[in-house]
Amino acid sequence: DAGVIQSPRHEVTEMGQEVTLRCKPISGHDYLFWYRQTMMRGLELLIYFNNNVPIDDSGMPEDRFSAKMPNASFSTLKIQPSEPRDSAVYFCASSLGQRTTKEKLFFGSGTQLSVL
Amino acid sequence: RKEVEQDPGPFNVPEGATVAFNCTYSNSASQSFFWYRQDCRKEPKLLMSVYSSGNEDGRFTAQLNRASQYISLLIRDSKLSDSATYLCVVKGNNFNKFYFGSGTKLNVKP
Repeated sequence: DAGVIQSPRHEVTEMGQEVTLRCKPISGHDYLFWYRQTMMRGLELLIYFNNNVPIDDSGMPEDRFSAKMPNASFSTLKIQPSEPRDSAVYFCASSLGQRTTKEKLFFGSGTQLSVL
Repeated sequence: RKEVEQDPGPFNVPEGATVAFNCTYSNSASQSFFWYRQDCRKEPKLLMSVYSSGNEDGRFTAQLNRASQYISLLIRDSKLSDSATYLCVVKGNNFNKFYFGSGTKLNVKP
């Protein structure tokens, strides 16, 4: 059974360039989350979707960041223009969204982004 | 104030030792609690859920104290393979947002 799939695994780009990160959630999962992890700030929730609809984007740092989920099997996180301070590991995660205490998140392998 | 606070460590312990991690959470209405494990340069993975009555999974025991808004993880008979960062996770009362602590690093030495 395939897990959450993210691409690319590594991305090195120059300041000012557009960066697009991709995610395919686990089939049947209703919720998709984008997290960013840095040494200084740990794991931060950027945005999450329910049934392809953005529910909470309060964690998106600024207008340079945007996320879309055009269908149940694909989401993108775009940074335009990128800046060195955007360098981090970006994780996508999905969940069934069950209203139980046993609900859990499944993470992709992450995208290591370096903005030079 | 952060939603979830953890001691970053590192905790350096010998093989076979017992080690305990704690974390506190700020939202008293939080409903679900978890410990995730993250290996270096890897994604977080669920270690165990934390139930109100406390629960055990092999060498791992998790406890929840709602009155003090406090969660703990006890690891007995530490193995070298337990070396990782342990993330305390709290799910809000809207059942949708998972809040992560900054993680506690554990190094188990031979």
